[in-house]
Amino acid sequence: KQEVTQIPAALSVPEGENLVLNCSFTDSAIYNLQWFRQDPGKGLTSLLLIQSSQREQTSGRLNASLDKSSGRSTLYIAASQPGDSATYLCAVRKSTDKLIFGTGTRLQVFP
Amino acid sequence: DVKVTQSSRYLVKRTGEKVFLECVQDMDHENMFWYRQDPGLGLRLIYFSYDVKMKEKGDIPEGYSVSREKKERFSLILESASTNQTSMYLCASSNLGLAFNEQFFGPGTRLTVL
Repeated sequence: KQEVTQIPAALSVPEGENLVLNCSFTDSAIYNLQWFRQDPGKGLTSLLLIQSSQREQTSGRLNASLDKSSGRSTLYIAASQPGDSATYLCAVRKSTDKLIFGTGTRLQVFP
Repeated sequence: DVKVTQSSRYLVKRTGEKVFLECVQDMDHENMFWYRQDPGLGLRLIYFSYDVKMKEKGDIPEGYSVSREKKERFSLILESASTNQTSMYLCASSNLGLAFNEQFFGPGTRLTVL
């Protein structure tokens, strides 16, 4: 059974720091991995989608990498800002269209 | 931009009531999903649908049913609401296919069952 773990569960950093969020999964047979952002009380916003054949994807200050063989993905946020404060979720997809989610990393960036 | 809308942001219902949660997407996506999100448990899939009138059970279908009469609309039904169904409910949609299909989420409905 696929399990997805995110470490750390919570992170608090000063503005301007570069930071890394981690996601690990137990079964490497995935089709893709998706990173989401969720603001308190809101829905999920898709940030990046990495196909199983890809190593990384970039969008602005965000860079996500995927190492399928070791069951890991990282989300790198450059020059963090208070507006980046949110919960970040990763999710993996196997042979159907179902996503399996991690429990998230709650990020706070303070001025 | 893909838009997924949910009929209510907040709902308060009483135990035993029949509850309908509506989701509409405007991108002609084949797939639609209903999740619930609870602290410490993350997002769990309740039901999903690949096409009109088709439905598949997710990981926690007990106490729920769904309806997909039109491609753009996917309804979640709580036949007899119970307090343990108090949760945040999230709807999502995606294109059919094994790859390149991001899931796009609605804003969520926070349901409280008293």
